[in-house]
Amino acid sequence: EPEVTQTPSHQVTQMGQEVILRCVPISNHLYFYWYRQILGQKVEFLVSFYNNEISEKSEIFDDQFSVERPDGSNFTLKIRSTKLEDSAMYFCASSAIKGSQPQHFGDGTRLSIL
Amino acid sequence: SQELEQSPQSLIVQEGKNLTINCTSSKTLYGLYWYKQKYGEGLIFLMMLQKGGEEKSHEKITAKLDEKKQQSSLHITASQPSHAGIYLCGAVTTGNQFYFGTGTSLTVIP
Repeated sequence: EPEVTQTPSHQVTQMGQEVILRCVPISNHLYFYWYRQILGQKVEFLVSFYNNEISEKSEIFDDQFSVERPDGSNFTLKIRSTKLEDSAMYFCASSAIKGSQPQHFGDGTRLSIL
Repeated sequence: SQELEQSPQSLIVQEGKNLTINCTSSKTLYGLYWYKQKYGEGLIFLMMLQKGGEEKSHEKITAKLDEKKQQSSLHITASQPSHAGIYLCGAVTTGNQFYFGTGTSLTVIP
């Protein structure tokens, strides 16, 4: 069964550094999402992306965050100047149908900011 | 903002026992999703409920949606250790954003 893949599985970065989290959505999916889960807390929506632009974003998704689909397969989340509170598990998801909420999640990237 | 409260927060059951997890929304539900998360891993989609009164089953897991009560329940029959994990409900809000519930941690003792 096709799956969403995320790399790396664990990223350790110094505070203030830029980090790029990578995702390969399922190949025929058109809608892409990023979520984060701070340890012990809820999974929170960050952003949704369709047709090469952001469709929805939450309050968490401020100017330090950006998303990109640099080629036909990757979907990336960039955090420009990381802060300690960015430490979390970041999940990518994709879906095929417009209006369909994400059903396929990656295994996540654990981001640790030192 | 949309709040999805799940109860109980955690549950420990003996293998073979039945259990129910509830998800209650503070706002109107436009579809309700259930996911399972193994500790430290990704989210596995279980099922989606879109209409009031809808009930779906997958293996030993059954979910129902009560639109009037703005609530969904997830019922596991004859629980097994493989059912252990964190169960999350999720729903769409009027702003078309997707929110997850507070989560229920399930431990099944062999």
